[in-house]
Amino acid sequence: NAGVMQNPRHLVRRRGQEARLRCSPMKGHSHVYWYRQLPEEGLKFMVYLQKENIIDESGMPKERFSAEFPKEGPSILRIQQVVRGDSAAYFCASSPFRDDEKLFFGSGTQLSVL
Amino acid sequence: KQEVTQIPAALSVPEGENLVLNCSFTDSAIYNLQWFRQDPGKGLTSLLLIQSSQREQTSGRLNASLDKSSGRSTLYIAASQPGDSATYLCAGVTTSGTYKYIFGTGTRLKVLA
Repeated sequence: NAGVMQNPRHLVRRRGQEARLRCSPMKGHSHVYWYRQLPEEGLKFMVYLQKENIIDESGMPKERFSAEFPKEGPSILRIQQVVRGDSAAYFCASSPFRDDEKLFFGSGTQLSVL
Repeated sequence: KQEVTQIPAALSVPEGENLVLNCSFTDSAIYNLQWFRQDPGKGLTSLLLIQSSQREQTSGRLNASLDKSSGRSTLYIAASQPGDSATYLCAGVTTSGTYKYIFGTGTRLKVLA
């Protein structure tokens, strides 16, 4: 059973471009979470999704950011018109349906905005 | 809004020492709590999960406890080794709101050989 897969591992974008980050949860996991980590800081919650539903997006900026978890395929975190302040490590985590289970993390995508 | 504080922010100890990492939540109504380890440039690895009906969990040299009345958790590492050097993060889910983990800022641990 492969772990949580994130790609790309590193992503470089120029200001104004779009960034698409992908996350494939562990097999059998239907809950996906996205977190952002700035250098020397903890993880900040962004969004919680289940298949085809956004459960909680309270941590996601209102503009330029969006997330989806379609019925088929990976979860996507999309950042439009990136700015330098978007540079960070973005982590995806997944868990099974039962909420008494551990959270499993991917290796993250390091986004650098030039 | 839930805030999580971890003390100390950084710790450097000689090999073999027993040590305690602390974590406190402003909202003490914790449902589940996890301790994670993060190595530089890597993702997070779950170390211990304290579920809603539990107060303590042990795995090898690690022991985590949760005092729900105060919203405080401790991670105890026995006989520390250089391989334990990493950042340790606690994260909790509260009984209010949606089921999501809120993370502390971490404790950077360095164990000297």
